[in-house]
Amino acid sequence: DTEVTQTPKHLVMGMTNKKSLKCEQHMGHRAMYWYKQKAKKPPELMFVYSYEKLSINESVPSRFSPECPNSSLLNLHLHALQPEDSALYLCASSQDYAGRGKNQPQHFGDGTRLSIL
Amino acid sequence: SQQGEEDPQALSIQEGENATMNCSYKTSINNLQWYRQNSGRGLVHLILIRSNEREKHSGRLRVTLDTSKKSSSLLITASRAADTASYFCATASSGNTPLVFGKGTRLSVIA
Repeated sequence: DTEVTQTPKHLVMGMTNKKSLKCEQHMGHRAMYWYKQKAKKPPELMFVYSYEKLSINESVPSRFSPECPNSSLLNLHLHALQPEDSALYLCASSQDYAGRGKNQPQHFGDGTRLSIL
Repeated sequence: SQQGEEDPQALSIQEGENATMNCSYKTSINNLQWYRQNSGRGLVHLILIRSNEREKHSGRLRVTLDTSKKSSSLLITASRAADTASYFCATASSGNTPLVFGKGTRLSVIA
């Protein structure tokens, strides 16, 4: 069992749909991350939240909209996605991000496998 | 941008053998981390080695770091079928950049 919980595990949606991915951690971590991973590729960083504020946006298209309602929750709102957005979306957390903390180990959820029709 | 590059891309060994994976990187680092990813699962942190360390052990894992060559190796001793997974190195730069993952090595351990 992982300490970072992601829901749903699988999601199939059309290009005009609006859906949200959810991530939750109860380890008291103050940094949370969204990654996109294609098959047989490494995870690619999308967003970093530090103390509930968006710290890094890696030039992600606006059809992906992150939200951090509180220190335990991270959402990724999806709208008007393209077929090439089909991938495994991973959430991760670490104790901290700013300063020395940014190099700390990350704890990953098992991801949401997203398919865009 | 990609920092770490693992070698080999794929490795197939018999159970009980040792598996060695290498990681090369380009810029100075604060630390280097190794992660494992089982098929269909998230990544699991295995070990972190700091730039001022040369070797670190954790159970059957041994990690070395050579900052002069900008390279690291992960050795898994007495491999088991359950070690079958993809292994990624990830570098944490000395600058204000996030963790960057290498391309990974796919390890298959045959029983």
